Amino acid sequence: KQEVTQIPAALSVPEGENLVLNCSFTDSAIYNLQWFRQDPGKGLTSLLLIQSSQREQTSGRLNASLDKSSGRSTLYIAASQPGDSATYLCAVDNYGQNFVFGPGTRLSVLP
Amino acid sequence: DGGITQSPKYLFRKEGQNVTLSCEQNLNHDAMYWYRQDPGQGLRLIYYSQIVNDFQKGDIAEGYSVSREKKESFPLTVTSAQKNPTAFYLCASSTFTGLAVEQFFGPGTRLTVL
Repeated sequence: KQEVTQIPAALSVPEGENLVLNCSFTDSAIYNLQWFRQDPGKGLTSLLLIQSSQREQTSGRLNASLDKSSGRSTLYIAASQPGDSATYLCAVDNYGQNFVFGPGTRLSVLP
Repeated sequence: DGGITQSPKYLFRKEGQNVTLSCEQNLNHDAMYWYRQDPGQGLRLIYYSQIVNDFQKGDIAEGYSVSREKKESFPLTVTSAQKNPTAFYLCASSTFTGLAVEQFFGPGTRLTVL
């Protein structure tokens, strides 16, 4: 059964720092991995999707990498801003049928 | 604008009542999903549907029921059999491009049992 973990559970950094969020999954038979952002009381917003054949994807200050063989992905946020404060979740597809989510990393960027 | 709508945004239920949460999408996606999120926790899958008139149980289906009579609609009923229904409920849909399966989410419904 696919299991997804995320480290750290929470992170607090001063504005301007670069930071890395980690996601690990147990079964490498995936189509893709997706990173989401969730603000308190809101739905999930898709940030980046990495296909299993890709190594990384970039969007603005965000860069996500995928090492499928080792079951790991990282989300790199450059020059963090207070507006980046949110919970970040990663998810992998479960043989294309549904998705398995990690518990999330709660990020606070302090002004 | 294409997207997923959920209603209501807030819902209050008395113990013993059934309530139905609405989810509608105009993205023309075949697959739809219902998740439950408890405070400080990740998402847990309740039910999902890959095509109209077909759906499968997720990890926590007990006390819930769904229907998929139309492609754009996937309502979730929280029955009185669900012992602890207070949570944030999220609906999602997905599209398969042949290379990737990308998921999109609605804004959520917060259910509180009084």
